[in-house]
Parts: sequence; C-alpha cells; structure tokens
Amino acid sequence: GAVVSQHPSRVICKSGTSVKIECRSLDFQATTMFWYRQFPKQSLMLMATSNEGSKATYEQGVEKDKFLINHASLTLSTLTVTSAHPEDSSFYICSATLRQGADTQYFGPGTRLTVL
Amino acid sequence: RKEVEQDPGPFNVPEGATVAFNCTYSNSASQSFFWYRQDCRKEPKLLMSVYSSGNEDGRFTAQLNRASQYISLLIRDSKLSDSATYLCVAPIIQGAQKLVFGQGTRLTINP
Repeated sequence: GAVVSQHPSRVICKSGTSVKIECRSLDFQATTMFWYRQFPKQSLMLMATSNEGSKATYEQGVEKDKFLINHASLTLSTLTVTSAHPEDSSFYICSATLRQGADTQYFGPGTRLTVL
Repeated sequence: RKEVEQDPGPFNVPEGATVAFNCTYSNSASQSFFWYRQDCRKEPKLLMSVYSSGNEDGRFTAQLNRASQYISLLIRDSKLSDSATYLCVAPIIQGAQKLVFGQGTRLTINP
C-alpha cells in the first residue's frame, strides 16, 4: 500500500512554456500532499503543502503565481510551473500521508524537469 | 544553526564494514525522526522511523539522543546495495506534517 505516482517522469520544455506535473495516490486517499524540489547535489526543499479542496500553503520564497497547485480530489494534486525558465530545471517530487496528522510521508518517483 | 544537519560525507567503506552517520536537529520539541535513503535520480524511500530512544531493523539501528539532540544511523555488515544517500528528516513542528530534510550523506560501499 501507500503508492504514489507522478506523471510525467521526465519533461523537457522550452523557456516560457508551462508544465503540469500530476501526483496521484494510487491506493489511498490523501487529504494532504506535499511538493518538493531538489536541485543537483542538494537535499529536498519543501515548496508547498497541498490540501484537498482548499488553497495550497506555500513556503517562504516560493512564488505561488509561478507554481500553481491544484488539489481537486483526494487522489490527485497537480503542480503547474508557469512560464518556466532554465533556473526552474530541477527534480520535483510529491509526497502524501496516509492520514491527517501522520508524520510518515510516501514519495512519488519524481519528475525531472529540464527547461531549455 | 540549520534545522537538520548531517555529516557531509562522502563515506567510502569496504563491503562488510560497519558505518555510522550522525544527524543533529535544532527543534527540541521534535518527537519523531526518520531516515530515508535516496538512490541517484530516484525518490527518497523510508528506511526507518525513530520515535523513542531507538529502533533496530536487521542490519540497521537508529538511535535518538534527546539531551544532545542527535540521531544516529548504524549499518552493520554493509552490502554493495547499501550505497546511496541517506537523509535525516525531522518534522518542523510536531503534528504539522512538514518535514525538514538534512543535506544527506553519500555512502559508497566498495567491493
């Protein structure tokens, strides 16, 4: 159990385009999902907390208008990188918890974004 | 002081050796901690949870020292497949579900 999927696994796009990344909980309902970003040789940095049916909570320094998060159902959260630039190239990973308040997070396989 | 700080590594040890990593945390209110392993270009996978003084799972032992605010991970009889980056993780605020990751320690097991 506790399987999280992401799509796509890899995307290459031109500068200025928008990219949507999907995060799905396959065998459980996730009221809360998290979005992380990981640059090469660095650790994961939390970008935002995605709550089903409400607005996402963004971490300091993360532009909410650039990284649009939609958590429309209990099994799907999407992250849209708008007007992507080369500095947005990174490994984007989502995670979900089995229940409200749980500490253990289960991670999706990640999406590697390359902006040319 | 960083919220979660780890040995920078990298660690290069021969197969069969015992290796230990340390991790310090700044939030004294944190109650639970985690060790994740991350393989190159993959997502982190939960290795161990630490809720009390320690936890043991086969060759892996995690210990928690609340007084000194550090967590350790011990790997005995290391295998080639243990080569990975090990991430120490702590909640920012207990119950808030937000996790802070250490920078990770790269481990390479040599044949």
